[in-house]
Amino acid sequence: NAGVTQTPKFQVLKTGQSMTLQCAQDMNHEYMSWYRQDPGMGLRLIHYSVGAGITDQGEVPNGYNVSRSTTEDFPLRLLSAAPSQTSVYFCASSRGGQGDGQPQHFGDGTRLSIL
Amino acid sequence: EDKVVQSPLSLVVHEGDTVTLNCSYEVTNFRSLLWYKQEKKAPTFLFMLTSSGIEKKSGRLSSILDKKELFSILNITATQTGDSAVYLCAVVTYKYIFGTGTRLKVLA
Repeated sequence: NAGVTQTPKFQVLKTGQSMTLQCAQDMNHEYMSWYRQDPGMGLRLIHYSVGAGITDQGEVPNGYNVSRSTTEDFPLRLLSAAPSQTSVYFCASSRGGQGDGQPQHFGDGTRLSIL
Repeated sequence: EDKVVQSPLSLVVHEGDTVTLNCSYEVTNFRSLLWYKQEKKAPTFLFMLTSSGIEKKSGRLSSILDKKELFSILNITATQTGDSAVYLCAVVTYKYIFGTGTRLKVLA
């Protein structure tokens, strides 16, 4: 019973490098989202998706891209890493579509450091 | 702009104390309010509230929503050291809007 799986768990990058954070869920959830969590800032929404083929921007989308080609996968791409993107990244999913209101299930997070 | 505000930001209590955590919000298209507990890793779900005045309870934790005054409270009675965590409130519209959390530390 995997739930939401994020990989990698830890990553160190140099400024200017690109990478993809992977997120997969096996619960057939329509709604998926990416957050970053910084000290004292809570969870800030980066991008979200209400179903395959549909994505939208959240609160802090700059420097990140997403795509949703399947229901299960929702990768987050850092285009050109910057030290300000050092953070813990969480992926989450919930059943139902837009405005459903159901609680999200979270992955264990990816701790990313940009040097 | 939609916003969710939690208070206090942090709290230190002794075992056995009762604590009340607050979450106020201003959003359009309210669907539900969620409470989560976050220890070292991912947030874990505690309660979902959709209607005013109906108290949700789980052991020593309880929560209530006031949709007229736009706030919710999370109560923890007889606190234990295992309750030490960050408690997050989220309001669901067409997306999930999180507060900054309340960091609770319970001393033995």
